Amino acid sequence: ELKVEQNPLFLSMQEGKNYTIYCNYSTTSDRLYWYRQDPGKSLESLFVLLSNGAVKQEGRLMASLDTKARLSTLHITAAVHDLSATYFCAVGWGVNTDKLIFGTGTRLQVFP
Amino acid sequence: GAGVSQTPSNKVTEKGKYVELRCDPISGHTALYWYRQSLGQGPEFLIYFQGTGAADDSGLPNDRFFAVRPEGSVSTLKIQRTERGDSAVYLCASSLTTSTEAFFGQGTRLTVV
Repeated sequence: ELKVEQNPLFLSMQEGKNYTIYCNYSTTSDRLYWYRQDPGKSLESLFVLLSNGAVKQEGRLMASLDTKARLSTLHITAAVHDLSATYFCAVGWGVNTDKLIFGTGTRLQVFP
Repeated sequence: GAGVSQTPSNKVTEKGKYVELRCDPISGHTALYWYRQSLGQGPEFLIYFQGTGAADDSGLPNDRFFAVRPEGSVSTLKIQRTERGDSAVYLCASSLTTSTEAFFGQGTRLTVV
């Protein structure tokens, strides 16, 4: 059974600081997704990583995938308050399906 | 439509009642997924449709849960004899085809009292 673990579960950081969220998964997969969720809202797709070594950047967020280590990272550069949300990684799993197995989420709070 | 649409947005029902939750995927998307998200947790997979058929229903918790997609577009998740433990946000997602990016709807918040 595929397990997806994120850490930290909760992150409180000051504006302007950098930090990395880690996503580890237990079974081989080459499809890794990052989503953002604001309170009471649905999931917003941030990044789709489909190969070993994939790196994608959007604004202050950068995501990478190491399929050999079964690890993805979401790096936050110079955090701003608007980044406050819960971030989920999800691993695509299955042969003829792309069901997503989600991590527990990282709740990020950015304060002045 | 522009995005995945789910109705109703909120549903309160009494224990033991039957409920139906509707999902209208993005036009042209052949893959459709249902997930359930409990408070403070990540979404959990329930069922996946490719076209009209349920290709993977391994996430349905028990036989009280059933989903259909008769014409390969709109899907309905049906829950019989609801229990308080069924209370959660039910999310629907669609993608162009298997293994492409999935887009989520706003969800239906189900509360069983």
